Amino acid sequence: GAVVSQHPSWVICKSGTSVKIECRSLDFQATTMFWYRQFPKQSLMLMATSNEGSKATYEQGVEKDKFLINHASLTLSTLTVTSAHPEDSSFYICSAILAVNYNEQFFGPGTRLTVL
Amino acid sequence: AQTVTQSQPEMSVQEAETVTLSCTYDTSENNYYLFWYKQPPSRQMILVIRQEAYKQQNATENRFSVNFQKAAKSFSLKISDSQLGDTAMYFCAVQPSGNTPLVFGKGTRLSVIA
Repeated sequence: GAVVSQHPSWVICKSGTSVKIECRSLDFQATTMFWYRQFPKQSLMLMATSNEGSKATYEQGVEKDKFLINHASLTLSTLTVTSAHPEDSSFYICSAILAVNYNEQFFGPGTRLTVL
Repeated sequence: AQTVTQSQPEMSVQEAETVTLSCTYDTSENNYYLFWYKQPPSRQMILVIRQEAYKQQNATENRFSVNFQKAAKSFSLKISDSQLGDTAMYFCAVQPSGNTPLVFGKGTRLSVIA
């Protein structure tokens, strides 16, 4: 099956610093990737849709200048949390859609971000 | 807008027994897709089963099956012969159409008891 990786799996940073999270589709091309955020004991909430070669589409209430998304190739999307604060601490999950089968969505293992 | 409602925050079942998790949804699309995902303590999202709305036949995957009632917009998951490894959070989700993100319910925490 298709595999999606995320790096790092966990990160701890100081308040005010920036953190980059990578999402890679390892054995397939993904024209579209999604970024979700999951707070403890809650569901996944969509943050943004990332399309290769174009600007990301952000959900209402998600600050695009704080959560920078770059989808530079068909296998890589990055999420950068700029000037992180403790309230940004969460579990970030990406998913990728197989380019030839829009109804198959594959999830990465997630990245746990802790901001001190 | 799409919504998914899971009315059972927590459930438990004895090992080897059968349990049904409920899910209702709302969408204005016609050709949508429904999913059940499992999230174990590792937090990796694992696809359990999927259903295309245009198919009347209920999807099955080994011990997992769904009861899809399109008119009622209901999509319940039945787990037969429950195993300890089935202990996890279960999320119901709807995908309005191809190439769109999933909309998740709040989840049901299932505990399988030995």
